[in-house]
Amino acid sequence: DTAVSQTPKYLVTQMGNDKSIKCEQNLGHDTMYWYKQDSKKFLKIMFSYNNKELIINETVPNRFSPKSPDKAHLNLHINSLELGDSAVYFCASSPRTGAGYTFGSGTRLTVV
Amino acid sequence: GESVGLHLPTLSVQEGDNSIINCAYSNSASDYFIWYKQESGKGPQFIIDIRSNMDKRQGQRVTVLLNKTVKHLSLQIAATQPGDSAVYFCAENRAGANSKLTFGKGITLSVRP
Repeated sequence: DTAVSQTPKYLVTQMGNDKSIKCEQNLGHDTMYWYKQDSKKFLKIMFSYNNKELIINETVPNRFSPKSPDKAHLNLHINSLELGDSAVYFCASSPRTGAGYTFGSGTRLTVV
Repeated sequence: GESVGLHLPTLSVQEGDNSIINCAYSNSASDYFIWYKQESGKGPQFIIDIRSNMDKRQGQRVTVLLNKTVKHLSLQIAATQPGDSAVYFCAENRAGANSKLTFGKGITLSVRP
């Protein structure tokens, strides 16, 4: 079983569309994250949830809206997609904030 | 502001040689450091970590060294193998309720056969 699974793995969409990326972890972790990796491989945190509550929001445009229906799931919805949103998005989880991260395999989003 | 950086963008080594990947950090309040390996098409994978009360930690073929005086972190890989080819990231974290990992820019390790 995959510990942190993201779907879809690839997403190609047109500018202006709305899309969602889903993430699930079966590790029993309390904390989940979304990271964005740009074309230069730089990883930057976007959001963090602890037990379904938002605890970190790193000045991400409000077109991005995370949702955590339970502590095993953290989904990312993006409205009005822009070319600059093209990147690889990684979900991660940890047993507590800041330690023991396990990453998913990423979702490559391409906006055309 | 806090930042974590790597000195070189790429490193090429001969198979069987030892590799050393260096990282500098600027936040003196950081108390936990981690090295990650990212292979093509995959997410970052934990390699080894070290807390600020230590200066060295060894794993299987890997050693992490921490020099808090100069805010420097290094990853040593012994007998580098082709499977070690990947992008390596150092990351730092500061304890707290809303702590998070801050990643460096990544360095590509290329192993020559």
